[in-house]
Amino acid sequence: DAGITQSPRHKVTETGTPVTLRCHQTENHRYMYWYRQDPGHGLRLIHYSYGVKDTDKGEVSDGYSVSRSKTEDFLLTLESATSSQTSVYFCAIGTGNQPQHFGDGTRLSIL
Amino acid sequence: TQLLEQSPQFLSIQEGENLTVYCNSSSVFSSLQWYRQEPGEGPVLLVTVVTGGEVKKLKRLTFQFGDARKDSSLHITAAQPGDTGLYLCAGGDYNNNDMRFGAGTRLTVKP
Repeated sequence: DAGITQSPRHKVTETGTPVTLRCHQTENHRYMYWYRQDPGHGLRLIHYSYGVKDTDKGEVSDGYSVSRSKTEDFLLTLESATSSQTSVYFCAIGTGNQPQHFGDGTRLSIL
Repeated sequence: TQLLEQSPQFLSIQEGENLTVYCNSSSVFSSLQWYRQEPGEGPVLLVTVVTGGEVKKLKRLTFQFGDARKDSSLHITAAQPGDTGLYLCAGGDYNNNDMRFGAGTRLTVKP
């Protein structure tokens, strides 16, 4: 398995609270991605990074921010969680526009 | 917006049968990828196709990229219960880093 670890794996929180999800890789890949997966929508790109401190928005970036201070770590933050952000979040690593290896996901429930 | 439609949405077959699932779009893609995802896990990349008309084989799985690079198919010969999972296609454009995913075909192979 590619060395991608997501934490936490499950989280339940309340509307309005801040939430940070972490993705850690040991593969030294330049590109890292955050996706959300919802029934009927497939995987949708939230943000991606193409290097340390280099990030860009994806298809569904509103309400999310990211940071990448080290090659191996990519953080996804929900500043003020809403119920519409209940989802399964996947981190991936890859090259260019091709995510090649995914983590096992974080199941986030916002009540 | 590049939209990918996968069909059928659900497919349930008996072990030993053959099947084909489809991935269609009105957009042209630079590359197209197929993934398989099992419950509680992230998608696993099966194949990438980049040339119109390209055919790739992976054991009992045959992947084809349409001549116009707008569609793709996945054919499984003599399906086995281990083939059960969610099959996702994703299309990318080398001009940007936004790869779009289809909603997937959920395949169940009964013993």
